[in-house]
Amino acid sequence: TQLLEQSPQFLSIQEGENLTVYCNSSSVFSSLQWYRQEPGEGPVLLVTVVTGGEVKKLKRLTFQFGDARKDSSLHITAAQPGDTGLYLCAAETLNNNDMRFGAGTRLTVKP
Amino acid sequence: EAGVVQSPRYKIIEKKQPVAFWCNPISGHNTLYWYRQNLGQGPELLIRYENEEAVDDSQLPKDRFSAERLKGVDSTLKIQPAELGDSAVYLCASSLFRSTDTQYFGPGTRLTVL
Repeated sequence: TQLLEQSPQFLSIQEGENLTVYCNSSSVFSSLQWYRQEPGEGPVLLVTVVTGGEVKKLKRLTFQFGDARKDSSLHITAAQPGDTGLYLCAAETLNNNDMRFGAGTRLTVKP
Repeated sequence: EAGVVQSPRYKIIEKKQPVAFWCNPISGHNTLYWYRQNLGQGPELLIRYENEEAVDDSQLPKDRFSAERLKGVDSTLKIQPAELGDSAVYLCASSLFRSTDTQYFGPGTRLTVL
């Protein structure tokens, strides 16, 4: 079983729509990161959240870390075709210094 | 500043053949990682180096995979012999120190085993 469950697995929307993707676990994390990966490239870090309940905004992207530090969400407002990509969450477990990745949400934004 | 460099970008081999991947991390980065990413999945850590020491290789299939990081800079990952199930993208990443520092990924090597 995956340590981090991401949903939905695939999402296809029209330009201008809003969307939310989720990263859930039964484990508590020290910190959680969101990455975006485009075809043929490595993942690129978008944000790191470390405090339960923390909300961070990056232009049209809003990231929230759950109060219990077990889950996170990424909300995109007015999606654009340039937002297309694989969105990965990764988390540091309390007993391990390594970051473990979820399987990702593959987002397609159609013009 | 140059990013993480990996070569080759693509490799096609027949099963039972050996293959090697090379990674040059960002200058000054202490920690280097090798990940494997299967189609439709997130990256899975194979091995993590701090300088030249492998500090986490619990997920590395040691019967056929080996890695080294000579002088704590460049690294190579080798598979011998390759199996069909090894087809994947092999990503290298580096960070200043610990794994929760920002990890910078290379573009990966796409391996196809026929």
